This record gives sequence, structure tokens and C-alpha cells, in this order.
Amino acid sequence: DVKVTQSSRYLVKRTGEKVFLECVQDMDHENMFWYRQDPGLGLRLIYFSYDVKMKEKGDIPEGYSVSREKKERFSLILESASTNQTSMYLCASRGDRMGQPQHFGDGTRLSIL
Amino acid sequence: AQKITQTQPGMFVQEKEAVTLDCTYDTSDPSYGLFWYKQPSSGEMIFLIYQGSYDQQNATEGRYSLNFQKARKSANLVISASQLGDSAMYFCAMGDFQKLVFGTGTRLLVSP
Repeated sequence: DVKVTQSSRYLVKRTGEKVFLECVQDMDHENMFWYRQDPGLGLRLIYFSYDVKMKEKGDIPEGYSVSREKKERFSLILESASTNQTSMYLCASRGDRMGQPQHFGDGTRLSIL
Repeated sequence: AQKITQTQPGMFVQEKEAVTLDCTYDTSDPSYGLFWYKQPSSGEMIFLIYQGSYDQQNATEGRYSLNFQKARKSANLVISASQLGDSAMYFCAMGDFQKLVFGTGTRLLVSP
């Protein structure tokens, strides 16, 4: 089974802090994704990566950056956290074959105070 | 641009009954995939079923089936014989080779 592991289930940080959310997958997947989930808005794509050191902006990249130095690890960075970044963050990975689903981690519930 | 619409914010069903969760989509791409995910209150996203745009037959996975009507651009999820453990949020998504676009979800409550 695919395993996608997010470093924290719950995280509380202060406004202005630099925040790192880590995600690791164990299936040698090329593609990795970061989403945020807010009530009534579904999941929205922040960034994705289709290879090491490659990244693409999603629909809501403002205020975020990402890093993919190794194939199995994809980090989401909040450069200067703000209260409107309080949300549920979900990481996913998938392989390259058509029809393969994205496999998700358990999510990180981030609160910015 | 691709768009997914789930018009039912909440649905109720009694245990052992069947339920249909609606999903319509919009895309100009000739090739795409449609996915359904379940999200229990614990938060993890669980993949349920996939339908490719060129697949002739509707996808089925156990108690889940996808009613795919390409001309109507709909991809409804049918859950047969509902169980209490089916209570969750359900998300429809569509995507190409890389990205997925999600709907806003439908909350399903199964009562005894």
C-alpha cells in the first residue's frame, strides 16, 4: 500500500513565523501535491511537483513556496504565516500512469494565531 | 478550465438503502479522468473509484459504482446497501495526467 506521511497532524504557529510542512511518500512516485482544504471550498491546489527540483504553481500559490530536493519528500513553506493561512493542509502523491489516483496523507490542521 | 460541481451539500440515507451523490463537470479536454474520494471525520482522503473518459463501461468497486453519462457531463457515485461507516464527506474530482480539480463535497449521513 502507498504510504504518504505528513509530519504533524496538528500545528499551532504565530503570525509572521516561517512554517514548514513536510510530506514523505514511500512509493517512488514522480508527482507530489500540496492542497489546502477549507469548509465550503473543497480542496484547492497550492503547488505540485512532477520531478525532483521541479515545481509548478497551482491555483492558490500566493504566500507559499515549496521544496523538493529528494524524490520522496515535498515540503510546503509558509514564508511569513498569516491568520488567513489557518487551514487543513493535505499532501498527495501519484505515479505517472494514466488513471492512477492521488494518494493522500492524513492532513495537517494548521492554526495561525 | 476544468470545473466540478456538486450541488448536494448534504444527503441523508437509511442503513441498507442505496444513495446517489451527484457530480457534474465541465472541460474542453477530450481525455480526462473522474475520481471519487471519501473523507471520514478523521480527515484522511480515501480513493474510492475511477472512470476514464474513454471507458465504455461504468466503473464499479464493490458497493460503489460510477454512473458516467458523458453527453450530460455527469459522473454520479452510487453507493448500494449503505452502512453506518459510509457517513463521511464525499468529493468528486477530475483531472488530466497531473492535476486534479475537486468539487466542494457532499456530506452523507447514514442513519440506523
